[in-house]
Amino acid sequence: AQRVTQPEKLLSVFKGAPVELKCNYSYSGSPELFWYVQYSRQRLQLLLRHISRESIKGFTADLNKGETSFHLKKPFAQEEDSAMYYCALFTGTASKLTFGTGTRLQVTL
Amino acid sequence: EPEVTQTPSHQVTQMGQEVILRCVPISNHLYFYWYRQILGQKVEFLVSFYNNEISEKSEIFDDQFSVERPDGSNFTLKIRSTKLEDSAMYFCAISRDSYNSPLHFGNGTRLTVT
Repeated sequence: AQRVTQPEKLLSVFKGAPVELKCNYSYSGSPELFWYVQYSRQRLQLLLRHISRESIKGFTADLNKGETSFHLKKPFAQEEDSAMYYCALFTGTASKLTFGTGTRLQVTL
Repeated sequence: EPEVTQTPSHQVTQMGQEVILRCVPISNHLYFYWYRQILGQKVEFLVSFYNNEISEKSEIFDDQFSVERPDGSNFTLKIRSTKLEDSAMYFCAISRDSYNSPLHFGNGTRLTVT
């Protein structure tokens, strides 16, 4: 069965420091992975997806099939990055997203 | 990003009562989903809906739950007889198709069962 693991519940960094939010997955097929972000009192929003290989708001994530990871990174954290971040695995045939438990990123001055 | 409006934003109900949560997708999408998030826990898939029928459901989605799209616009989740453990945030989501298309979520409905 598919599973997504986000080992950190809370990650606290200083403004300007690098950020890495960890995500590991378990899936027997070809994975499609996403990062969703939820700012305070707002909806879950798509941040990025691995097939796009794009950078959104300075964030990037690379799929590493050998390590079954899809870590989210940003070189310099900003205050407005403070939010809940969810890694999610999409299995096309099952038409559903499997979410990790989420990591709260707290960026402090 | 396509708009997905959910009503109500907060619903309080007594155990055993029926509740209906509503979702109105603004743009023309084919797939509809309900997810829920119990406080402090992860977002969990409940059901997906396509072409006026359920395409997949999780073990959470038992006989107490039902979904429909009665007028081709609103997408509803009904819980027939609520239990305390149904208290959660319920998110509606839409996508253009089931594969290779990201999900767009509504703001959620907070359901509190007392």
